[in-house]
Amino acid sequence: AQSVTQLDSHVSVSEGTPVLLRCNYSSSYSPSLFWYVQHPNKGLQLLLKYTSAATLVKGINGFEAEFKKSETSFHLTKPSAHMSDAAEYFCVVRLLSGSARQLTFGSGTQLTVLP
Amino acid sequence: EAQVTQNPRYLITVTGKKLTVTCSQNMNHEYMSWYRQDPGLGLRQIYYSMNVEVTDKGDVPEGYKVSRKEKRNFPLILESPSPNQTSLYFCASSLGRGANTGELFFGEGSRLTVL
Repeated sequence: AQSVTQLDSHVSVSEGTPVLLRCNYSSSYSPSLFWYVQHPNKGLQLLLKYTSAATLVKGINGFEAEFKKSETSFHLTKPSAHMSDAAEYFCVVRLLSGSARQLTFGSGTQLTVLP
Repeated sequence: EAQVTQNPRYLITVTGKKLTVTCSQNMNHEYMSWYRQDPGLGLRQIYYSMNVEVTDKGDVPEGYKVSRKEKRNFPLILESPSPNQTSLYFCASSLGRGANTGELFFGEGSRLTVL
């Protein structure tokens, strides 16, 4: 069984300040983890993925995430927020050996960036 | 350009009037899936297909049908829509297996309102 919890439904930051979006997972086996971003009126887009290689994963638009097995976490960070980062972000978990069918989505975190 | 195309993007209908939401992908992906997105619930899988003529229920299949007669198309059918099917629907595709599993490509969504 697997599940994913996004700890904040809404996060608000000022432009130029760091972003932290928190995600904790539960999985019986080694997981693969993903972050997706959804801009207004758009479909979801893959931001980055962890699939058992380096624990610090870099994605598009300056985002990165660190897989911490001891904390069962996969938090998404960015050093400096930009107005264009305002979107909803989804953390997703899958068994490392699983198929696309077995993705489990978090409930999402809405990121607001203030000028 | 690689893409997943959904139609219609917006639809208002009445209870009981059959409708079909089309989905087409041009990436020769084996795996396709339908999700619905509701506030606070993230994405929930309705149906998925691992290949042509192979479909299966997801987590919330009640009230929906699908078919996969061709690799590129995966329509979602609501035989008798009800107001609780008012939602934002996403079609997605993926290679389905292997290292890239979990890298879903999403359409831009179809917002359905059932009165």
